[in-house]
Amino acid sequence: KQEVTQIPAALSVPEGENLVLNCSFTDSAIYNLQWFRQDPGKGLTSLLLIQSSQREQTSGRLNASLDKSSGRSTLYIAASQPGDSATYLCAGGHAGKSTFGDGTTLTVKP
Amino acid sequence: NAGVMQNPRHLVRRRGQEARLRCSPMKGHSHVYWYRQLPEEGLKFMVYLQKENIIDESGMPKERFSAEFPKEGPSILRIQQVVRGDSAAYFCASSPADNEQFFGPGTRLTVL
Repeated sequence: KQEVTQIPAALSVPEGENLVLNCSFTDSAIYNLQWFRQDPGKGLTSLLLIQSSQREQTSGRLNASLDKSSGRSTLYIAASQPGDSATYLCAGGHAGKSTFGDGTTLTVKP
Repeated sequence: NAGVMQNPRHLVRRRGQEARLRCSPMKGHSHVYWYRQLPEEGLKFMVYLQKENIIDESGMPKERFSAEFPKEGPSILRIQQVVRGDSAAYFCASSPADNEQFFGPGTRLTVL
């Protein structure tokens, strides 16, 4: 059974800082790893999708990496802004479902 | 191309009533997934459907819950005889194949 863990559960940083969010999964037989953003009371916004054959994906200030052998993915956010404050979820896709971590709640202070 | 549509966005039901949640996938997507997010918890997989078929319902409670994705029309998640513990946000996602999932805005169900 796939389990996805995200560390830390909460993170508070000053504006402008670079930061890394961590995601680990127990079953390396995933075919993709997706990072999402969720604002309070809102739905999910897909940020980055990494296919199992890929090592990383980049979009603007975001960079996500995937290491299937170690069961880890990281989301790197450069030059953080207050608007980045949200909960970030990672999800491992496998066999017709995605298994989500519980998320990291990020607060970027002005 | 409109995104995944869910309605209603908010639904209030009294204990014992039925709740019907609708999900219209993105155009061209034939795969639909339902997830539930209980208060202060993460998203949990419930069911995976393709047109007219349930592929995986391993995450769906055996009683009171059912899902369908008919040949025509939206996917429906149906909860019979709702209880307070059913209060949650229910998210639908769709994909063109069994790959990247695009999520709808969710339906927030409150059971009084």
